Amino acid sequence: SAVISQKPSRDICQRGTSLTIQCQVDSQVTMMFWYRQQPGQSLTLIATANQGSEATYESGFVIDKFPISRPNLTFSTLTVSNMSPEDSSIYLCSVEGEAKNIQYFGAGTRLSVL
Amino acid sequence: AQSVTQLGSHVSVSEGALVLLRCNYSSSVPPYLFWYVQYPNQGLQLLLKYTSAATLVKGINGFEAEFKKSETSFHLTKPSAHMSDAAEYFCAVSEGYKLSFGAGTTVTVRA
Repeated sequence: SAVISQKPSRDICQRGTSLTIQCQVDSQVTMMFWYRQQPGQSLTLIATANQGSEATYESGFVIDKFPISRPNLTFSTLTVSNMSPEDSSIYLCSVEGEAKNIQYFGAGTRLSVL
Repeated sequence: AQSVTQLGSHVSVSEGALVLLRCNYSSSVPPYLFWYVQYPNQGLQLLLKYTSAATLVKGINGFEAEFKKSETSFHLTKPSAHMSDAAEYFCAVSEGYKLSFGAGTTVTVRA
């Protein structure tokens, strides 16, 4: 399985500001994913990020709010823009392992917006 | 679209007792099914996976799950609960490269 590092692990931000979350993998992977886990809820896929192409966003998520970069096969960033208290969530990065359809997750970024 | 339903948002068991977490899936094709565990303040860890091989799947930490096509179920069990099993557990189904998660079941273990 891949080792995935996310930074920051947690942050407290003011409304109207933006936060960029980094995801670093210890091996080259084709597909990286970003999820949101709202308080007390399950995980929801925000977008899929492939190197060299635009991220693919799920219904209800837009690039202006959650811009994603994928500059190489081991790194991706997710920015949460113009934050409001409703953006307070855990944001998780995952990657597809060597076996198809199996994803491995980072420890997540715990975001609180005041 | 494929989906999973977890029955019971919270399960409380005594230490040493059986842990049973229920998951039913909806899929028009043979599914890939997973159980993940999330310990407090941590990310998700893969417990086990079903990928159309053996119907009884053994995972880490003594957990296992049985795929029952006739019941569209993939329930997770552990014969004897340990205090360290206190966590949230998610059942998930894959549709291509996308994972769809259940709502989660929180397990508490009583001493």
